Amino acid sequence: DTGVSQDPRHKITKRGQNVTFRCDPISEHNRLYWYRQTLGQGPEFLTYFQNEAQLEKSRLLSDRFSAERPKGSFSTLEIQRTEQGDSAMYLCASSHGGRGTGELFFGEGSRLTVL
Amino acid sequence: DQQVKQNSPSLSVQEGRISILNCDYTNSMFDYFLWYKKYPAEGPTFLISISSIKDKNEDGRFTVFLNKSAKHLSLHIVPSQPGDSAVYFCAASDRYGGATNKLIFGTGTLLAVQP
Repeated sequence: DTGVSQDPRHKITKRGQNVTFRCDPISEHNRLYWYRQTLGQGPEFLTYFQNEAQLEKSRLLSDRFSAERPKGSFSTLEIQRTEQGDSAMYLCASSHGGRGTGELFFGEGSRLTVL
Repeated sequence: DQQVKQNSPSLSVQEGRISILNCDYTNSMFDYFLWYKKYPAEGPTFLISISSIKDKNEDGRFTVFLNKSAKHLSLHIVPSQPGDSAVYFCAASDRYGGATNKLIFGTGTLLAVQP
């Protein structure tokens, strides 16, 4: 399978704990995005990487959130001191900048439940 | 502010009939529009797209219409099949002018196709 993969698929944690999600994009894609989706809403943009550079961050991304893409391949999204409001599906997507139809290819998501 | 709006949270149609899903946008900088389909516990899957230089794009049973003056697009599915039952998201981007190609999503419409 050469699609976008995310790990873990499900994470249950207690309020105040730190969690980290990993995303492996499609190998030839240089653009990587993180989105968050809550019940009844569409995916909301969080942050964007082109290769290893983080070029845009949404105001939704508080100081407790940090994302990295150290070698321009996989990416991690860490949430520190989780709050119940962080409970959501975290989606990763990738695309090849400058080519193709402009669509983003999404992974299956990592669902976070904060108790 | 909700730049992409899907005002119908749900739609129910009979198998074999036409499904019409609607989407409105407010940002006149958007120049590329996409529809995604999402099944429960899966990530969104790209369905069809349209550039702002066109007013119609067709792919098999799926057709997207764009009315730039009204800032409105619609997705037509003919004939509808039970396997089409899913949440459909409209998305838009400033693809040709923007640097990130990030997508802004609507809140989704749940389509139920009754056998």
